[in-house]
Amino acid sequence: GAVVSQHPSRVICKSGTSVKIECRSLDFQATTMFWYRQFPKQSLMLMATSNEGSKATYEQGVEKDKFLINHASLTLSTLTVTSAHPEDSSFYICSARSGSGGLGNTIYFGEGSWLTVV
Amino acid sequence: TQLLEQSPQFLSIQEGENLTVYCNSSSVFSSLQWYRQEPGEGPVLLVTVVTGGEVKKLKRLTFQFGDARKDSSLHITAAQPGDTGLYLCAGRNEKLTFGTGTRLTIIP
Repeated sequence: GAVVSQHPSRVICKSGTSVKIECRSLDFQATTMFWYRQFPKQSLMLMATSNEGSKATYEQGVEKDKFLINHASLTLSTLTVTSAHPEDSSFYICSARSGSGGLGNTIYFGEGSWLTVV
Repeated sequence: TQLLEQSPQFLSIQEGENLTVYCNSSSVFSSLQWYRQEPGEGPVLLVTVVTGGEVKKLKRLTFQFGDARKDSSLHITAAQPGDTGLYLCAGRNEKLTFGTGTRLTIIP
C-alpha cells in the first residue's frame, strides 16, 4: 500500500481562488518532504524542499508567495496555490524522505494531485 | 543547477527489440535512480545505483552507473508492450533531481 498519500487526487478551482494540497506520510515520520510540478508530457520539476518546523527552501524561479508550503508536523506537508491561474494547472507530486536525513534514507512518492484552474 | 539530460526523448520500437536509454549530467551524484511513471500516477522506483561502474539487473532491464557517477544507462532486452511508459532517471544528493524523461512506446 501507499506510504505517502496526497489529497485531493483531483481538484478544479476557479481562477483567482486558492487551493490546498496535502501530503501525508502514513507510517513513518518525514522531516523532509519535496514538492514537484509536472506539466503534460514533461518531467518532474522540483519546486521546493519542505522541512518540518522551518521555512521551505524554494528552487530558483518558484514564487514562494504564490506556492505556500507548510510542514507543521512530521507526517504532513501542505502546498497552497494562491490566486490560482490557468497556467498553474498541472500535476503536483510530493515525496517524503524517511528517517532523520542522510542519503541512505528512502524517498517515497505520493500518487500526485491534478490541479485544473478554470 | 544540476541537470540530467535523457536521450532519446521519445522512442517507439517493435515488440522484441532491444533498446537503451541514456541519462547524462555534468554533476556528480551520490546515487542515481530510475523510475517509471504511468499517466496520472506518481513515479515508481525501479532501481538505485550507488557505486561508480555498478550494474544492476531487474529481469529484462539492465541499469549501469557511470564510473564517474555522472551518467547512467537503462537497457531493455526483448521489449514488451507492458514496458511502455515514461522512464525517468533521477540523481540524488541532498535532493532528488529528475532527468528530462524518455517516453517509450512498444508496438505489439
